[in-house]
Amino acid sequence: DAGITQSPRHKVTETGTPVTLRCHQTENHRYMYWYRQDPGHGLRLIHYSYGVKDTDKGEVSDGYSVSRSKTEDFLLTLESATSSQTSVYFCAVSQGSGTGIYEQFFGPGTRLTVL
Amino acid sequence: GDSVTQMEGPVTLSEEAFLTINCTYTATGYPSLFWYVQYPGEGLQLLLKATKADDKGSNKGFEATYRKETTSFHLEKGSVQVSDSAVYFCALSPNTGNQFYFGTGTSLTVIP
Repeated sequence: DAGITQSPRHKVTETGTPVTLRCHQTENHRYMYWYRQDPGHGLRLIHYSYGVKDTDKGEVSDGYSVSRSKTEDFLLTLESATSSQTSVYFCAVSQGSGTGIYEQFFGPGTRLTVL
Repeated sequence: GDSVTQMEGPVTLSEEAFLTINCTYTATGYPSLFWYVQYPGEGLQLLLKATKADDKGSNKGFEATYRKETTSFHLEKGSVQVSDSAVYFCALSPNTGNQFYFGTGTSLTVIP
């Protein structure tokens, strides 16, 4: 258990509204990731962070932004939610070294529905 | 670029049957390889891993061997149980850079 919590666990919102999802970890992992999981697509990386204030885009970053002001928190914001962003969102964390990263540990997920 | 390909599902087996889920990878260096399991309504859990060629990862009766010559990391279990019903993901860490690469997942249903 890597001490990862996500909030909220479920959310229903309307098209055009901003939404922020939170990932919190208690074990000081350096790397944090946001994925979305959709049927037929597996896991797709949205954004990731390799340190406080250090973030980078993944393969499906359009319409999403992230922030990491503290080691333990990684926020994902949908600036103006659309129905195509209805999904299950997972946060993951990992340690790493100068030569790469180790295994990832996942949070329980947030189910987001955009009406 | 680096990638993982795993067999399409869904897979349905009877209890006590032998399980194989195929996974092959493409990587330019010497990656680490992983299998994750996802039970309904939950996040992914690390099932097993192997960090170099010929390593065998094992956990809960599942095994996978890192085969560099065939670029494969197939998941096997000798006798599946109903409780093994889940989605299984093969994954790769290139050991350079910051990203992980996941397969699309294979759904397994075990029937009594």
